[in-house]
Amino acid sequence: QQQVKQSPQSLIVQKGGISIINCAYENTAFDYFPWYQQFPGKGPALLIAIRPDVSEKKEGRFTISFNKSAKQFSLHIMDSQPGDSATYFCAASIGGFQKLVFGTGTRLLVSP
Amino acid sequence: ETGVTQSPTHLIKTRGQQVTLRCSSQSGHNTVSWYQQALGQGPQFIFQYYREEENGRGNFPPRFSGLQFPNYSSELNVNALELDDSALYLCASSREGALTDTQYFGPGTRLTVL
Repeated sequence: QQQVKQSPQSLIVQKGGISIINCAYENTAFDYFPWYQQFPGKGPALLIAIRPDVSEKKEGRFTISFNKSAKQFSLHIMDSQPGDSATYFCAASIGGFQKLVFGTGTRLLVSP
Repeated sequence: ETGVTQSPTHLIKTRGQQVTLRCSSQSGHNTVSWYQQALGQGPQFIFQYYREEENGRGNFPPRFSGLQFPNYSSELNVNALELDDSALYLCASSREGALTDTQYFGPGTRLTVL
């Protein structure tokens, strides 16, 4: 019940295209869902986060869509750029400061 | 406002040795969490410290221990190192009770056990 399942494992998108990464969870007690971006050799950097009282949150080119009934959430990167090439992790927790349960990660490559 | 810092950046140890990793939390943050990230995997929660006490622990053996100091900085200690302990160790800080209680990660310490 503590798992967060993430797909796809890897993704190749053309520059200017839309990147979509999906996550699913089981534990209905989770109430905080962040996405982190990680470059090789660096720590994860918070990208955007959502709580289950809203179905969508947009910050610049990044949008989280949240479906509480399906226990799924996704990250959409609009107008993808080569600089977005990184590994993306979804996560979930009970309370934002509590233990984060991470997905397995998606390696995104945006081709020029 | 300074971010989360960790030291050292890299460390090489041999099996059976002990290691101490250090973390300084972001200004204003009172909670520190430690994660282990094996190559190609997502971070795994080790434990969290709040008010200088352990506040939750993941599925890690007792040879993984920690401390939090009055200035909210923290240490992760690993005894009797095993080859599988080779990983990136990440520290994250947050502020319990704040409206935005997101965890912010440091750059990590890369531990190699030979």
